[in-house]
Amino acid sequence: AQTVTQSQPEMSVQEAETVTLSCTYDTSENNYYLFWYKQPPSRQMILVIRQEAYKQQNATENRFSVNFQKAAKSFSLKISDSQLGDTAMYFCAFMKPDNAGNMLTFGGGTRLMVKP
Amino acid sequence: GAVVSQHPSRVICKSGTSVKIECRSLDFQATTMFWYRQFPKQSLMLMATSNEGSKATYEQGVEKDKFLINHASLTLSTLTVTSAHPEDSSFYICSAREPARYGYTFGSGTRLTVV
Repeated sequence: AQTVTQSQPEMSVQEAETVTLSCTYDTSENNYYLFWYKQPPSRQMILVIRQEAYKQQNATENRFSVNFQKAAKSFSLKISDSQLGDTAMYFCAFMKPDNAGNMLTFGGGTRLMVKP
Repeated sequence: GAVVSQHPSRVICKSGTSVKIECRSLDFQATTMFWYRQFPKQSLMLMATSNEGSKATYEQGVEKDKFLINHASLTLSTLTVTSAHPEDSSFYICSAREPARYGYTFGSGTRLTVV
């Protein structure tokens, strides 16, 4: 079974600064997908960024980028120019395409506080 | 983009009664939906995978007779918490896999309080 570990339960960053959230995972699979989801106080889950394991290029979405290290099984999220609206829980997730529904496995989450 | 509507957003029920939560995909057909439970300040715990037209697959430790899941159409899955007890109080979230790509859209969640 796959496991996803987020080693930072809580983090804080000053507005406009850069912060990196860590995520490691354990799998024997070669083909899989990784995701970062944001859950603000409204508790709506929002997709931040997605990475296909077969792609070597790191995914980017505006101020959000990942550092995907496949050999090290690491998938960190970098948030540049942090904004107050980035305050949320962030979940790293793993998905292995299979015939069992392609379910997501979530990490424990990192609570990020952006300070003015 | 794909939208999943979840209702109700909040519900308070008496102990011993049943509560139904609905999850609808509004602009796409969802052959597979997922139901999660989330405790305060914790991650999402997968309860079951719901497949249209077939029985749901429950995760280990989840009582299938207590958490009834029905996925009768390509746009609707329901979770019924039967004979609810205070320990069932939690935040329940549904998710649907988007067609043609490996992406997931989440409902806005239901906060269930059993008194």
